[in-house]
Amino acid sequence: AQSVSQHNHHVILSEAASLELGCNYSYGGTVNLFWYVQYPGQHLQLLLKYFSGDPLVKGIKGFEAEFIKSKFSFNLRKPSVQWSDTAEYFCAVNAGGSARQLTFGSGTQLTVLP
Amino acid sequence: NAGVTQTPKFRVLKTGQSMTLLCAQDMNHEYMYWYRQDPGMGLRLIHYSVGEGTTAKGEVPDGYNVSRLKKQNFLLGLESAAPSQTSVYFCASSEGVLGETGELFFGEGSRLTVL
Repeated sequence: AQSVSQHNHHVILSEAASLELGCNYSYGGTVNLFWYVQYPGQHLQLLLKYFSGDPLVKGIKGFEAEFIKSKFSFNLRKPSVQWSDTAEYFCAVNAGGSARQLTFGSGTQLTVLP
Repeated sequence: NAGVTQTPKFRVLKTGQSMTLLCAQDMNHEYMYWYRQDPGMGLRLIHYSVGEGTTAKGEVPDGYNVSRLKKQNFLLGLESAAPSQTSVYFCASSEGVLGETGELFFGEGSRLTVL
């Protein structure tokens, strides 16, 4: 079974700082990769996804992620964070196109200080 | 268009009591899921359904039962609640196979406390 690791549990940044959240997965086959975000008091929503093609994926609100197959990684980046980016971010992996297996990481809480 | 709606939003139970969480979606999605979210553990899949009348176990199914009698509804039941089931429960739906569409639509969550 696949697993997903998010090593940063809590990240604190000042506004305008650059962001990179790590995500590593363990699965040797074809994977689909996702980042979900949960803003305070709201439900989870999709930030971006990678299925195939260009390994640099752009999502909503200026976020992007890069799939590096050799490193089994899918790190989330944003050049300049805003206070409104304060949220919990979850990396998720779907292995082999299976409907049941969307495995989530433990999440990273991002706090952006004004 | 409400999307995915969960009821109740909050509930406190005593050990041994039973309850049912209701999830309703109005997007005509085939697939529905129940996850639990615990601090430091992310979301873990409890049960899921790939269509009306079908259910299957996820990663942490013990102590829970589910039913999908209607396409738009997915019920999660706790027959005899235990403190270990204190958690936030999320229902989600997807239009098709996750490997094709990749997007889950989540409800707002139901916070359950078992004393």
